[in-house]
Amino acid sequence: AQSVTQPDIHITVSEGASLELRCNYSYGATPYLFWYVQSPGQGLQLLLKYFSGDTLVQGIKGFEAEFKRSQSSFNLRKPSVHWSDAAEYFCAIIFSGGYNKLIFGAGTRLAVHP
Amino acid sequence: DGGITQSPKYLFRKEGQNVTLSCEQNLNHDAMYWYRQDPGQGLRLIYYSQIVNDFQKGDIAEGYSVSREKKESFPLTVTSAQKNPTAFYLCASSTGSEQYFGPGTRLTVT
Repeated sequence: AQSVTQPDIHITVSEGASLELRCNYSYGATPYLFWYVQSPGQGLQLLLKYFSGDTLVQGIKGFEAEFKRSQSSFNLRKPSVHWSDAAEYFCAIIFSGGYNKLIFGAGTRLAVHP
Repeated sequence: DGGITQSPKYLFRKEGQNVTLSCEQNLNHDAMYWYRQDPGQGLRLIYYSQIVNDFQKGDIAEGYSVSREKKESFPLTVTSAQKNPTAFYLCASSTGSEQYFGPGTRLTVT
């Protein structure tokens, strides 16, 4: 069955440090891949997406992600974290099931120390 | 401004009562979705609709019902049959593979 795994439930980094959030998926072909961010009590905002082409994609707020087919991974990175990046981050995939069904990982909660 | 609105932001109900959550979009999207979010479980699909007057069950549809009489509206009713209705509910819409989310409604049933 298709699934998305985010191995880290909580991550804490210092402001200015680099960040990498991990995402692995289980699927028979290359799905469409997404990263969303959610501030407490809010909806989800799309950070970036990968459909095809260049495997390094740039998103909003200085985030980027790299698709690695051999590892079935789509890790999110940021070179220097800001305190405002504290939020929950969700990796999601779409598989071709006749409609655009998003399958989400359980999320990674990011805390940023000043 | 184009977007998705959900109302109310917080909703409190007594056990045994049905409750309807509102979702409206002015993005002219054909498809709309309802998700449920519980701590540590990500988002799970309740119902989706690809076109007016048509909708399909998602992964956790039991105890919920929807309607899609207008393109811009996709209300969700949480019935008394839903065993654990307290959760954060998110509505989304899409015109392709990218989904746009509303701000959510937190429902508490006691």
